[in-house]
Amino acid sequence: EAQVTQNPRYLITVTGKKLTVTCSQNMNHEYMSWYRQDPGLGLRQIYYSMNVEVTDKGDVPEGYKVSRKEKRNFPLILESPSPNQTSLYFCASSTRQFFSYEQYFGPGTRLTVT
Amino acid sequence: KNEVEQSPQNLTAQEGEFITINCSYSVGISALHWLQQHPGGGIVSLFMLSSGKKKHGRLIATINIQEKHSSLHITASHPRDSAVYICAALTYNTDKLIFGTGTRLQVFP
Repeated sequence: EAQVTQNPRYLITVTGKKLTVTCSQNMNHEYMSWYRQDPGLGLRQIYYSMNVEVTDKGDVPEGYKVSRKEKRNFPLILESPSPNQTSLYFCASSTRQFFSYEQYFGPGTRLTVT
Repeated sequence: KNEVEQSPQNLTAQEGEFITINCSYSVGISALHWLQQHPGGGIVSLFMLSSGKKKHGRLIATINIQEKHSSLHITASHPRDSAVYICAALTYNTDKLIFGTGTRLQVFP
């Protein structure tokens, strides 16, 4: 089954404690992206990757890091989480081949930073 | 002004009613997506449009490239259609998705 998986689904942590949210897709997609969703602001892009070893900042990259060492994985790293990073996070993947732009979203990770 | 705007923000309907959600955008696009976000939070892609019209079951999506406008219609609405509907523009030059803030739909029996 084609899918994007994220782990963990829920996380409560404390300010300053490094954490990683994993994202993996099984569709051989080149394009992967991380978004955060906040009430009243909608979805905003944090980072994206066009392919292995190619990453770039989205609209709200401050406080986040990413890496793309393998095509299937795109982890989101919070080196020193702060309460303003409390949010609902989504990973997504897509392909640009054959003019296909369909987006596949992971189930979301609800992060609370206290 | 947001580059992607949706209306209305909130919508309530009685079961069976015809629903229309609108999306206007101000950027050049490769495609426009309609997404559905369930109360549990998961996001599902409903449609991806670059021109014309698409239909899937009771859902119909249209796009007018000249007017930079898209609509999502739900015929014979049902309480299980209750969700947040989000339009997202895939920008032509940056290959980036820009999202509207969503329309919260509640359908009552």
